[in-house]
Amino acid sequence: GNSVTQMEGPVTLSEEAFLTINCTYTATGYPSLFWYVQYPGEGLQLLLKATKADDKGSNKGFEATYRKETTSFHLEKGSVQVSDSAVYFCALALNSGNTPLVFGKGTRLSVIA
Amino acid sequence: DSGVTQTPKHLITATGQRVTLRCSPRSGDLSVYWYQQSLDQGLQFLIQYYNGEERAKGNILERFSAQQFPDLHSELNLSSLELGDSALYFCASSVGLGNIQYFGAGTRLSVL
Repeated sequence: GNSVTQMEGPVTLSEEAFLTINCTYTATGYPSLFWYVQYPGEGLQLLLKATKADDKGSNKGFEATYRKETTSFHLEKGSVQVSDSAVYFCALALNSGNTPLVFGKGTRLSVIA
Repeated sequence: DSGVTQTPKHLITATGQRVTLRCSPRSGDLSVYWYQQSLDQGLQFLIQYYNGEERAKGNILERFSAQQFPDLHSELNLSSLELGDSALYFCASSVGLGNIQYFGAGTRLSVL
């Protein structure tokens, strides 16, 4: 079946530290990959996406590259801020077009000043 | 603001009761998805509607049902509620099938 595995949290970093949140996937087919972010008390917001191998999604200083050979889509940011504190979800959707998102368990990030 | 509106924001009810959660998708979006977020199960897909028709079903209990109306808003009905149904229920919408999904702020259901 289709599944997403992401690193367990919580992750606590100091401001300006480098962030990596690992995400690997299993899919029967050729998925699109997403990172969603959930700030406290809010719904999920799309952070970035990639639809094919070697695509790099980027937004707000975050980046992730679709690696088909390692079935991975790791999230990175060079210098985190306190405002980046949130829960981050890796997700996939098959390109067949009528499948919903399959989410990882989420990784809680806390950034301290 | 994602443009997806969910009401109510919070719902507190007792076991055995029935509740209805409402979702208004973004203007122009035809597809509506319902997800359940709980501490132990994470984010689980429940059901999807596209232009009024059921499109896909996930881990939705038989006690739960949903529909999408001609004006494209959707309702999720939860009946014979159990303690374990306490969770955040999210609605998401997209323009068509497989496009980016935009999420509402969720309805937090507490079953006491």
